[in-house]
Amino acid sequence: LAKTTQPISMDSYEGQEVNITCSHNNIATNDYITWYQQFPSQGPRFIIQGYKTKVTNEVASLFIPADRKSSTLSLPRVSLSDTAVYYCLVGDIGGNNRKLIWGLGTSLAVNP
Amino acid sequence: DTAVSQTPKYLVTQMGNDKSIKCEQNLGHDTMYWYKQDSKKFLKIMFSYNNKELIINETVPNRFSPKSPDKAHLNLHINSLELGDSAVYFCASSPLARDRVLSEAFFGQGTRLTVV
Repeated sequence: LAKTTQPISMDSYEGQEVNITCSHNNIATNDYITWYQQFPSQGPRFIIQGYKTKVTNEVASLFIPADRKSSTLSLPRVSLSDTAVYYCLVGDIGGNNRKLIWGLGTSLAVNP
Repeated sequence: DTAVSQTPKYLVTQMGNDKSIKCEQNLGHDTMYWYKQDSKKFLKIMFSYNNKELIINETVPNRFSPKSPDKAHLNLHINSLELGDSAVYFCASSPLARDRVLSEAFFGQGTRLTVV
């Protein structure tokens, strides 16, 4: 059964770069890797998505090695407002491979 | 103007009751989802509809039944509520990307269901 594993919690300080790694050893060929951010009492919010290599947008970068068995979300220069839970999601809804496997979330605390 | 809206936001009910949670999205998306988030913050997909067609139907009790009257709405009906059903339920929607590839999902604010 496909599974995603990520650290339960991480601590950082304002201005630092934070890297959160997700392990997904059984990722399928058609699976995409997506990261979401969730604040208390809110629904998850999309951060970034990738299939392989590196993806960058205005808020984060996503690094995916060639074997795709892990991925790393990189948050540059975090601020207090980045304190949240970050989820890794692996899966797809296309074709016959319809599954969405969420990690348990990494609680990131950014300190002053 | 809320993109994905769920009602009610809070729902407290007794065991054995039947309740519904409504979800509407005004984003023009083709795909909608229901998720359950338990007290440990674990997110689990329950159902997904694409243009009113059920495409994901995870192992959930038969007491849970999704209903999609049109592609902008996906309601969740729960029969014979149990204590273990207490959780936050999230509705989400996403566009149908090329080749039906998973794309960015937009989540509602959640419905906190408490069964007493």
